[in-house]
Amino acid sequence: EVQLVESGGGLVQPGGSLRLSCAASGFTFSSYSMNWVRQTPGKGLEWISYISSTGSNIYYADSLRGRFTISRDNAKNSLYLQVNSLRAEDTAVYFCARGGVGATCDYWGQGTLVTVSS
Amino acid sequence: QSALTQPASVSGSPGQSITISCTGTSSDVGGYNYVSWYQQQSGKAPKLMIYDVSNRPSGVSNRFSGSKSGNTASLTISGLQAEDEADYYCSSYTINNTRVFGTGTKVTVL
Repeated sequence: EVQLVESGGGLVQPGGSLRLSCAASGFTFSSYSMNWVRQTPGKGLEWISYISSTGSNIYYADSLRGRFTISRDNAKNSLYLQVNSLRAEDTAVYFCARGGVGATCDYWGQGTLVTVSS
Repeated sequence: QSALTQPASVSGSPGQSITISCTGTSSDVGGYNYVSWYQQQSGKAPKLMIYDVSNRPSGVSNRFSGSKSGNTASLTISGLQAEDEADYYCSSYTINNTRVFGTGTKVTVL
């Protein structure tokens, strides 16, 4: 069974940083691309970033490029998202999702909540 | 990259069919057959329902179907059931190798 478990969320002050993690199991992690997606409270989904199976190809949403850094460790079956210079508008649930056919996100974790507030 | 445009809400009675539209541009929806649809029930993670415009993953009911014409994709739910009540999001691959989601549609079963 495919499982994705995010961690690392919490309360952080404006201007602070966080590193989110996603632990993958139930599939060959090194064979799949991965994505980060976020959802602000009561609002819609926003795609953040993609990383290919080997990490050689990385893409970011134009509006978020610069403060967000995606990475992966295939030896640890883990995906990461480093977020710097956090703002109130970054408050959201952050999901990791496995990359499927046709640029899809075919499996999702349950998400980790990041709250940016003083 | 702007979000794809979806109606905020769509409703229907049990057994009816409803259609949700998803409008983008030639740089996303219109340019690629990489449109997907997700169902998100309250408090849960999204679930992939349609990929590559009209394909269903294993286990997804054949009451869900997808199509595309020009820059607009559509999701049709036939034989609407109470369990279909959820938020639905479209997504597309884009010209910049990125992905973009739609604004989301709340489906209400009357």
